[in-house]
Amino acid sequence: DAKTTQPTSMDCAEGRAANLPCNHSTISGNEYVYWYRQIHSQGPQYIIHGLKNNETNEMASLIITEDRKSSTLILPHATLRDTAVYYCIVRVQGGSEKLVFGKGTKLTVNP
Amino acid sequence: DAGVIQSPRHEVTEMGQEVTLRCKPISGHNSLFWYRQTMMRGLELLIYFNNNVPIDDSGMPEDRFSAKMPNASFSTLKIQPSEPRDSAVYFCASSRTGTRGAQHFGDGTRLSIL
Repeated sequence: DAKTTQPTSMDCAEGRAANLPCNHSTISGNEYVYWYRQIHSQGPQYIIHGLKNNETNEMASLIITEDRKSSTLILPHATLRDTAVYYCIVRVQGGSEKLVFGKGTKLTVNP
Repeated sequence: DAGVIQSPRHEVTEMGQEVTLRCKPISGHNSLFWYRQTMMRGLELLIYFNNNVPIDDSGMPEDRFSAKMPNASFSTLKIQPSEPRDSAVYFCASSRTGTRGAQHFGDGTRLSIL
């Protein structure tokens, strides 16, 4: 599976959009981009995933560049409860179901 | 819907004792995963099952660790004998294959080996 690179930490003001970047320059054509987050003392929570088209659900939007070498997770109106570590993971569909978690980005939403 | 249920939530025991962690996956999910999380190593996959069959156990640290899934609604992770370096938070997750497999995690078991 391709390796991902994320900033160690980010800050965001409450009510503003949080844009979390992820670099996956070695991604291959059959690898999806997944985003999970882990709020302190809880298990990781699935947010969203995509292959090449932009995706949106009730939690977030995922923007994948045309060359698929990077993506951005957007939380449109961040709240204090969005403070968490956010993980960007790439994974082949149809192959191993294994998820390889990196260190992620610690997002702090400030009042 | 009930999520992934793990028990116990906390376990404190002395080294050398046997430890058994339990997991009930979400009904209808046919893949089950055991992860371990420590400050040093982060979140790492230990083993996963598909349709109750172990598929990838390459993350199991050593023979002291064993995992079973006797049926679709129950799995155990056993450590015998336990050592202080096994102290960690252990998470169980489940997913349904064929749905591009978002994994749903339990709240974890915080294990402390004294």
